[in-house]
Amino acid sequence: EAGVVQSPRYKIIEKKQPVAFWCNPISGHNTLYWYRQNLGQGPELLIRYENEEAVDDSQLPKDRFSAERLKGVDSTLKIQPAELGDSAVYLCASSTSRDRAGYGYTFGSGTRLTVV
Amino acid sequence: GQNIDQPTEMTATEGAIVQINCTYQTSGFNGLFWYQQHAGEAPTFLSYNVLDGLEEKGRFSSFLSRSKGYSYLLLKELQMKDSASYLCAVRDRGSWGKLQFGAGTQVVVTP
Repeated sequence: EAGVVQSPRYKIIEKKQPVAFWCNPISGHNTLYWYRQNLGQGPELLIRYENEEAVDDSQLPKDRFSAERLKGVDSTLKIQPAELGDSAVYLCASSTSRDRAGYGYTFGSGTRLTVV
Repeated sequence: GQNIDQPTEMTATEGAIVQINCTYQTSGFNGLFWYQQHAGEAPTFLSYNVLDGLEEKGRFSSFLSRSKGYSYLLLKELQMKDSASYLCAVRDRGSWGKLQFGAGTQVVVTP
C-alpha cells in the first residue's frame, strides 16, 4: 500500500510568486492535514479536512494561503503571493476519522519550499 | 491550547540509554504521541500513551503521568541510526486527530 504521496519534493521560487503543493493521502483515510514545519521546530497545523470539509483552518493565513480537497481525496495547498517567511517544509498527513487505535497519523515526505 | 516542552538536544554514546522528557499543559488531554524524524524526512510514529504507565516496544519505551503532565521516551541500546529528532505531540480531547507538537529533541549518538 502506498503511503501519503506529496509533490513536488523541493521547490524554489522568488518572493511574490505563487506556489502549489499536492497531496494524495492513504486510501480510505478520511482525515487529511497540512502542517508547516520550520527549521528546528515541530510541525504546526495549517488546516484539517474531514472528507472534503475543512473543519479546522484557524491557523491558515487566509490572506495568502488557500487549500482545497475536492471529492475528499487529493488535496492542494496554495500560497499566493509567497513571502520569504514562508520558507519551510510543508507536510501532508492522513488518518482515519476516529483514530481510536492511537496510531496518530501517517506523514508524507513533505515539500521543502525555499522562497528567495 | 497546549504548551509542550522538551529539551533541544541530547548526546549519548552508542549502546547507552537516553531518556527524553516532555512536559505539557493542555485544556483537555486525549493522548500523547512520540514521533521520530530523521533529517530531511517525514516524522514516523513511535509510540502512543493515553493511560498512565509505561508502554514498551522493543528498544523504545514511553511513559505517561497525566496528573503531572509528563511523559518520557526511553531509548535503550542506542544505535547510530537512532540519531534523529524526537517529537512529543499531544492530542486534544474532542478534537480527534489534531496533534500539537513540541519543537523536538535532537538526539546525537556518538561512537
